[in-house]
Amino acid sequence: QVQLVQSGAEVKKPGASVKLSCTASGYTLTSYDLYWVRQAPGQGLEWMGMIVPSAGGTIFAQKFQGRVTMTSDPSTSTVYMELSSLRSEDTAVYFCARVFSSSLDVWGQGTMVTVSS
Amino acid sequence: QSVLTQPPSMSAAPGQRVTISCSGSSSNIGSNFLSWYQQLPGAAPKLLIYDNFKRPSGIPDRFSGSKSGTSATLDISGLQTGDEADYYCGVWDNSLRGVVFGGGTRVSVL
Repeated sequence: QVQLVQSGAEVKKPGASVKLSCTASGYTLTSYDLYWVRQAPGQGLEWMGMIVPSAGGTIFAQKFQGRVTMTSDPSTSTVYMELSSLRSEDTAVYFCARVFSSSLDVWGQGTMVTVSS
Repeated sequence: QSVLTQPPSMSAAPGQRVTISCSGSSSNIGSNFLSWYQQLPGAAPKLLIYDNFKRPSGIPDRFSGSKSGTSATLDISGLQTGDEADYYCGVWDNSLRGVVFGGGTRVSVL
């Protein structure tokens, strides 16, 4: 079945970087755009940006510009999201999600990132 | 402070109906297709409604969406205990050049 499988939980110190993966199965990665969305504990959803896996093009939310990188590897059906200069406010569950007709129709299970000294 | 405004919480008895509102502006809801998501506790969000009113396969017709101008609503009829969840609206914003979400509405079944 169509699914997105994300990498496991991470614990990082302030100032470090984290690189998360999202692997697609059941469909061709390059056929759909992918978004990254995060959710801080007890908070709502926050869009971080998007990647066009076929071409590598990206759009980032202004809040994350300069700190986020998104890449794709069609050979392994995987997209990556790297966030640098981590601070405690970056503690959150990070989701990747497939874009379908202006909506997010398939979501990864989420990756918990904890930033703590 | 979310770009889209939703009521923080709503509650109703089993079998009743709840209507969740989502208010935005001409740069988002007024210009683009809106989606609704259900997030059960501890789970990833799930697509409920896309393109303002369409349901993905497998979503019961108890869930319905509509849009008028710069506002949208999600109706849940025949409320069930399994509907207890957080519900989010989301849409592309032309001015911000990104996706914006509502703050979420927690639905409780009394």
